[in-house]
Amino acid sequence: QLVLTQSPSASASLGASVKLTCALSSGHSRYAIAWHQQQPEKGPRFLMKVNSDGSHIKGDGIPDRFSGSSSGAERYLTISSLQSEDEADYCCQTWGTGIVVFGGGTKVTVL
Amino acid sequence: QVQLVEFGGGVVQPGRSLRLSCVVSGFTFSTYGIHWVRQAPGKGLEWVALISNDGINKYYADSVKGRFTISRDNSKNTLYLQMNSLRPEDTAVYYCAKDAARDGYTWFFDYWGQGTLVTVSS
Repeated sequence: QLVLTQSPSASASLGASVKLTCALSSGHSRYAIAWHQQQPEKGPRFLMKVNSDGSHIKGDGIPDRFSGSSSGAERYLTISSLQSEDEADYCCQTWGTGIVVFGGGTKVTVL
Repeated sequence: QVQLVEFGGGVVQPGRSLRLSCVVSGFTFSTYGIHWVRQAPGKGLEWVALISNDGINKYYADSVKGRFTISRDNSKNTLYLQMNSLRPEDTAVYYCAKDAARDGYTWFFDYWGQGTLVTVSS
């Protein structure tokens, strides 16, 4: 079964970096994922697609301080130089034909 | 710029129907598949349905299959979601989202709307 697992929360200081993890279920380590940001009371925003080889394609207007990477069955989103507006939920998503799966999301707090 | 704006949410009694609309601009609507995704209060995102760019192919989550119908009018740049036999567990913010692939679908979304709230309650 295709499942994505995320830690519920993460925090870091203003100006620091934070690395979020999205883990694919066993047998699905070659799947690409997409990261989406959801700020409070707003619709989601596409950040990037991350492939199994670590390559990534960003959405329009996404700052350089957002980057993606991959290792085995894990996909990562790193936010550098954290800003107050980065405080949000970050959700990963993957897919197969006729199926779309979301992770539970990670709430990022900027200290 | 790309915009997707949902309309039609509200409060509806269990068993009744509601139709949502999503009006898009900023891209050639007829060349992209479009999805509906929902988020129950305090919960995560759940994919609901996809319609191909030409409206021929449609896919649904098991939780809504047989009750919800996705459709589109490319002449009006508008996507629809007809929701019948609504249940309290259908209560959610409903988002329309543009598929990232032109003339096909990749099953991930590169633009989202701001959402419309549907509350199913007696």
